[in-house]
Amino acid sequence: DAKTTQPNSMESNEEEPVHLPCNHSTISGTDYIHWYRQLPSQGPEYVIHGLTSNVNNRMASLAIAEDRKSSTLILHRATLRDAAVYYCILPNTGNQFYFGTGTSLTVIP
Amino acid sequence: DAGVTQSPTHLIKTRGQHVTLRCSPISGHKSVSWYQQVLGQGPQFIFQYYEKEERGRGNFPDRFSARQFPNYSSELNVNALLLGDSALYLCASSLSTYEQYFGPGTRLTVT
Repeated sequence: DAKTTQPNSMESNEEEPVHLPCNHSTISGTDYIHWYRQLPSQGPEYVIHGLTSNVNNRMASLAIAEDRKSSTLILHRATLRDAAVYYCILPNTGNQFYFGTGTSLTVIP
Repeated sequence: DAGVTQSPTHLIKTRGQHVTLRCSPISGHKSVSWYQQVLGQGPQFIFQYYEKEERGRGNFPDRFSARQFPNYSSELNVNALLLGDSALYLCASSLSTYEQYFGPGTRLTVT
């Protein structure tokens, strides 16, 4: 079962930053936090992952709360191509992914 | 480099029939996982294979089975199809314990 909770949907204006929240209050000390997104009619794609420290890559930033019970995926400038369902996942010890329903992001031109 | 490939892209089956879905992982990836995604929901984990051995199984009935071949490709088999098996079936391969790379999926319709 998914161990994370996310809002069902969010909206953002194009070229503005987007903050997508995720709660994972039962996270253990060794659980990595992964974010994937699924564009329409495609399989999910990797966005970013982290353990304790904030992480940045070319797609996004991941801000992890100090107690690790929540995290936020940050898209610095939303584009229309960022419209997707975003999933926050805590893989189990076998790297098995249990997806929740994710957050459907709508980008408004 | 080629990504994860799945075949067929679409297929239509009748209730009670059997179906086989195929997945070719990214070259060098030894782990393959299968997911079922019903419309409007997130993907649900079905199986994980690593080096031809089953490493994990989700909450699916025994009608679902899979195997991995020496070249690391994989098959997902579903027997006695039900209308509720209609879904997008996703395959993902991975090299490490971090990123999983997903294929485009096979859209199965059961009538």
